[in-house]
Amino acid sequence: GAVVSQHPSRVICKSGTSVKIECRSLDFQATTMFWYRQFPKQSLMLMATSNEGSKATYEQGVEKDKFLINHASLTLSTLTVTSAHPEDSSFYICSAREALQETQYFGPGTRLLVL
Amino acid sequence: AQSVTQLDSQVPVFEEAPVELRCNYSSSVSVYLFWYVQYPNQGLQLLLKYLSGSTLVKGINGFEAEFNKSQTSFHLRKPSVHISDTAEYFCAVMNTGFQKLVFGTGTRLLVSP
Repeated sequence: GAVVSQHPSRVICKSGTSVKIECRSLDFQATTMFWYRQFPKQSLMLMATSNEGSKATYEQGVEKDKFLINHASLTLSTLTVTSAHPEDSSFYICSAREALQETQYFGPGTRLLVL
Repeated sequence: AQSVTQLDSQVPVFEEAPVELRCNYSSSVSVYLFWYVQYPNQGLQLLLKYLSGSTLVKGINGFEAEFNKSQTSFHLRKPSVHISDTAEYFCAVMNTGFQKLVFGTGTRLLVSP
């Protein structure tokens, strides 16, 4: 149980284009989903927290107009990187948590490369 | 606010030897504690967690951790490691108000034959 999937696992795009990453909880209802960014050989940096049906809460320094987050259902959240630039290249990981549960379950991550 | 310190960035160890990965945390409120493992180019997998009760917590793959409130520590141990345990290990803390996870900087466990 408690499986989280991400799609795509890897994406390469041209600078200036937008990229959408999907995060799905496969066997539970995720009332809260989290998006993280991880640079090589570093820890995870929380970008934003989203609750189903509500606007996402972004961490300080994260541009909400650049990283659009939608959590329209209890099993799906999407992160759209708009007008991507090479500096947005990174490993993006989502996690999901059920209501009133402590544990976050993580997706396998998406490697984004912007050329 | 909470913080997590993993002092060892890398721990080399021989196969079948015991290992301890250190984690210390700081918090003014009660917390939940977690250990996650990350294999190359993958997401994080939950190893074990401490929520309440017994301070010795057993997890998957033969790992265990002990919560020590007086020392604000949650060290991870395994009595005999395998080559396949080579990975990055993250300690994380969350306050009991269900707010965000705060991660340590990670410890790379390198198991050699």
